[in-house]
Amino acid sequence: SQQGEEDPQALSIQEGENATMNCSYKTSINNLQWYRQNSGRGLVHLILIRSNEREKHSGRLRVTLDTSKKSSSLLITASRAADTASYFCATVPSGAGSYQLTFGKGTKLSVIP
Amino acid sequence: GAGVSQSPSNKVTEKGKDVELRCDPISGHTALYWYRQSLGQGLEFLIYFQGNSAPDKSGLPSDRFSAERTGGSVSTLTIQRTQQEDSAVYLCASSSSGFGELFFGEGSRLTVL
Repeated sequence: SQQGEEDPQALSIQEGENATMNCSYKTSINNLQWYRQNSGRGLVHLILIRSNEREKHSGRLRVTLDTSKKSSSLLITASRAADTASYFCATVPSGAGSYQLTFGKGTKLSVIP
Repeated sequence: GAGVSQSPSNKVTEKGKDVELRCDPISGHTALYWYRQSLGQGLEFLIYFQGNSAPDKSGLPSDRFSAERTGGSVSTLTIQRTQQEDSAVYLCASSSSGFGELFFGEGSRLTVL
């Protein structure tokens, strides 16, 4: 079953603009991760945020986590054409032995030069 | 090699034939995952191996699917009596722990005619 659900499904912006993608999930988590997938390629890990963290930064990426709303957002600032890709959130559930990383369906981002 | 290696990268087979997909994880990684991605969709969890523990097979869609991991390293996903709905990209990922970042291979694209 799909735990994380990204929103929007697709996003098209001009180069230089900021891109915001949202993720909602259903059950308690140990951590939430964001991945990027270029067309026809494998996924690349971007950032991991733990359940006791509220915000995390990595370069032009900013991730927030609201465990009370069971939601996360990924902000890409000053977007570039090279940021065009699909972005997925994935959750690791809390609880012993729960190592199944569950992915959403992704947001397809298009950055127009 | 430095990354997760999957083979074959592409496989075309006829309905009813068996196929084997191979994954060579990053050396030293104890956790290994198999996912399936249909066109334009998110990742569907199939199976998870962690060290010497019994694998989590809860995502395997039918008894035609099986996987093994020999010596805690290389893994093989076997699909028996393939069906057209098995057509997808099969992604393997490894991790140094069950909670952290996954490193993905480039995937094996399976087409069942």
